[in-house]
Amino acid sequence: NAGVTQTPKFQVLKTGQSMTLQCAQDMNHEYMSWYRQDPGMGLRLIHYSVGAGITDQGEVPNGYNVSRSTTEDFPLRLLSAAPSQTSVYFCASSPGTVPNSPLHFGNGTRLTVT
Amino acid sequence: AQSVTQLDSQVPVFEEAPVELRCNYSSSVSVYLFWYVQYPNQGLQLLLKYLSGSTLVKGINGFEAEFNKSQTSFHLRKPSVHISDTAEYFCAVLSRSQTGANNLFFGTGTRLTVIP
Repeated sequence: NAGVTQTPKFQVLKTGQSMTLQCAQDMNHEYMSWYRQDPGMGLRLIHYSVGAGITDQGEVPNGYNVSRSTTEDFPLRLLSAAPSQTSVYFCASSPGTVPNSPLHFGNGTRLTVT
Repeated sequence: AQSVTQLDSQVPVFEEAPVELRCNYSSSVSVYLFWYVQYPNQGLQLLLKYLSGSTLVKGINGFEAEFNKSQTSFHLRKPSVHISDTAEYFCAVLSRSQTGANNLFFGTGTRLTVIP
């Protein structure tokens, strides 16, 4: 099994550009989430989903959109990139709808916005 | 919503010495707590979790943690560290948001550096 796959690994954007970070899991997990990791701030929850067609906001949702049309995929869209969105982004999934089982993380996408 | 506080941002320790990484949580009726580890350029992996039952929880790689309700703490310990334990460690709590959903919220992390 591949687990949680994130693409791309690295990305550089100019302010105002848009892009989509891809996340796919092959474990048939119901719960998926996006976190951003910034120095000294740990991981902060951006958006999450408890199943196909169901998404909701986390702690820091502004500037990001998500959708969940299939169980496997949970893309994160940056509508108009800003330097404050420079970060490392992690996608994670878990069986069930409550992440009290281990969260399975991807290896991250390092995004720089200039 | 509940939260966790990791009291040390960096902890250097010599190889084969014991280590304790501290985590305090905001009090609640019931609490689910976790420790995750992040090795360089990787995602996080679960070390151990406390959901209920015994307050001493054993995890992978020789780590253990003790849930202390009176002190609202969930400190991570290892009696003898190895070079390979050098990593960043995150304490996390399962918390219910205002919308009623449960999500995992992380502390700011503790970077453990094992010195040869």
